[in-house]
Amino acid sequence: QVQLVQSGAEVKKPGASVKVSCQTSGYTFTSYSIHWVRQAPGQGLEWMGWLNPGNSHTRYSQKFQDRVTMTWDTSANTAYMELSSLRSEDTAVYYCGRDSGNWSPYEDYWGQGTLVTVSS
Amino acid sequence: DIQMTQSPSSLSASIRERVTITCRASENVRTNLQWYQQKPGKAPKLLIYDASTSQSGVPSRFSGGGSGTDFTLTISSLQPEDVATYYCQQSYSTPQTFGQGTKLEIK
Repeated sequence: QVQLVQSGAEVKKPGASVKVSCQTSGYTFTSYSIHWVRQAPGQGLEWMGWLNPGNSHTRYSQKFQDRVTMTWDTSANTAYMELSSLRSEDTAVYYCGRDSGNWSPYEDYWGQGTLVTVSS
Repeated sequence: DIQMTQSPSSLSASIRERVTITCRASENVRTNLQWYQQKPGKAPKLLIYDASTSQSGVPSRFSGGGSGTDFTLTISSLQPEDVATYYCQQSYSTPQTFGQGTKLEIK
């Protein structure tokens, strides 16, 4: 069965960076893109970007363009999202989601989420 | 970016009641519209894709409809396990965007 397992919670100081991992199983990693979506406490869902391990493409939301880097390790079936220059407003649960593979991009399976807390 | 607006923001209904949530897009998204269910402390779960197609394993009481700018999610007979927040999402253009959510409770 398709599974996405994310790394554990992180506490970071303002100005630092965080790297969240998303280990996948149950499907061919290079056949599906991975999205990253975040959710601030008590708030809605916000798309950050996606990566395609099959063709090595990435696309980021303009809001995060200058601070986010999405990478992957095909040998480990794992995707990564790194966010830099953290500020308190980046405190959120960060989710990875597998793209459905349909022609329009949306998530059909999700990781359990990783809480990132930014605090001095 | 395409703005997605859900109504109502919160809803209280009785068991076995029929519940409808609406979602409006700021521009035409064709049928590139999904519905997700999120329970507290959990990741979102895909219920409906392409506006009206049920994801495998989703109970038949959930159905979606609409196209263009106006969409609905209907629960035909509310069950206790349906307590959750529901989000619509458009995937017609990048960035994909979500509605603000509808919190559903049992009366």
